[in-house]
Amino acid sequence: RKEVEQDPGPFNVPEGATVAFNCTYSNSASQSFFWYRQDCRKEPKLLMSVYSSGNEDGRFTAQLNRASQYISLLIRDSKLSDSATYLCVVNTPGGSFQKLVFGTGTRLLVSP
Amino acid sequence: DAGVIQSPRHEVTEMGQEVTLRCKPISGHDYLFWYRQTMMRGLELLIYFNNNVPIDDSGMPEDRFSAKMPNASFSTLKIQPSEPRDSAVYFCASSLAGKNLETQYFGPGTRLLVL
Repeated sequence: RKEVEQDPGPFNVPEGATVAFNCTYSNSASQSFFWYRQDCRKEPKLLMSVYSSGNEDGRFTAQLNRASQYISLLIRDSKLSDSATYLCVVNTPGGSFQKLVFGTGTRLLVSP
Repeated sequence: DAGVIQSPRHEVTEMGQEVTLRCKPISGHDYLFWYRQTMMRGLELLIYFNNNVPIDDSGMPEDRFSAKMPNASFSTLKIQPSEPRDSAVYFCASSLAGKNLETQYFGPGTRLLVL
């Protein structure tokens, strides 16, 4: 089983739609969770951290369910510029530094 | 401020040749990471350094891969000899110890094609 699993998509949605991505992780000791965004042929960039209480950043809402080892990202009022691949990222505990493990990503295509 | 710098941006080589990828981290960052990204396996951590010292190289696929960080502003990832299955995008990333330790800043990547 992969440490971080995501639906690869693509998710095809019209502008203005609401879309949600899910991610599951296998290591119950993981403590830190993130969503990174990667545009086509570009490097990954941090989109937002995911906190236990859930957090919102504009049109983006991230949720964490520790019991189910499940993370979600909700995008409201989708824009064309949201088209990208969204990577679910989880830390791997152990040692003085916790390595990040990246999911293979969910591709989003927002159309006019 | 300059971000993470990688060179070359693209590399096409023949099987058996030596390939050297270069990275300059963000000034002041004390962690440096080398990743490899493929469609099938996604983004995989190969090795990371802290204060120029390799900490974990368990992700390095085999002895053909080696990485060095001779100083705080430069690192190399070398593949010798290269094989077609090494074709991928190689990213270098850096971060700063402390509150934002887990925020990693990626370079633009090197697209490697081994024929």
